[in-house]
Amino acid sequence: DGGITQSPKYLFRKEGQNVTLSCEQNLNHDAMYWYRQDPGQGLRLIYYSQIVNDFQKGDIAEGYSVSREKKESFPLTVTSAQKNPTAFYLCASSYANSNQPQHFGDGTRLSIL
Amino acid sequence: AQSVTQLGSHVSVSEGALVLLRCNYSSSVPPYLFWYVQYPNQGLQLLLKYTSAATLVKGINGFEAEFKKSETSFHLTKPSAHMSDAAEYFCALGLRNAGNNRKLIWGLGTSLAVNP
Repeated sequence: DGGITQSPKYLFRKEGQNVTLSCEQNLNHDAMYWYRQDPGQGLRLIYYSQIVNDFQKGDIAEGYSVSREKKESFPLTVTSAQKNPTAFYLCASSYANSNQPQHFGDGTRLSIL
Repeated sequence: AQSVTQLGSHVSVSEGALVLLRCNYSSSVPPYLFWYVQYPNQGLQLLLKYTSAATLVKGINGFEAEFKKSETSFHLTKPSAHMSDAAEYFCALGLRNAGNNRKLIWGLGTSLAVNP
């Protein structure tokens, strides 16, 4: 079955470490997105990519980085510059048309040790 | 500016009662609108979408929503709540003629509790 796979499900980071969250999709979607979810704050867009080798900052990109070397993959790195990284991270993908819904992975919960 | 407002961050209903979750939008161009559901520690699942065909949209799990341009609303309803409907619900706005700006604009979500 096609879908979006996020790994790991749970991730722990020590102070000063960078960590990378994986997101892979086999839906042949052009666009991919990373969101951060905190209680009561809904979904906030970190980065998105509409085509391979191109990506744009979202609303809260500071302290994060991404790459889009393959259509299927859109990894997110949480750098040590992100001072409050504890959150639930969601990856999504969609076809390029704006009337198409986004499909979501099951998320990665990141915590600070 | 485009925006989505979900009225009521928490809604509580009895099992078997009507579910009504409110979503109002602001958009300078005709919108696309989506409702998603999220269960604890999971991703979001699409319930239904409005893309300018019928104004009454039927979705999964018995939910439906009606697009009302005059009221700039897209409220989600279900005639009879089940315990399994307890979850977080999100309304989202997509923009026509978005060009390179194909982001969705999200409401803050409404947490639905269903009481036995």
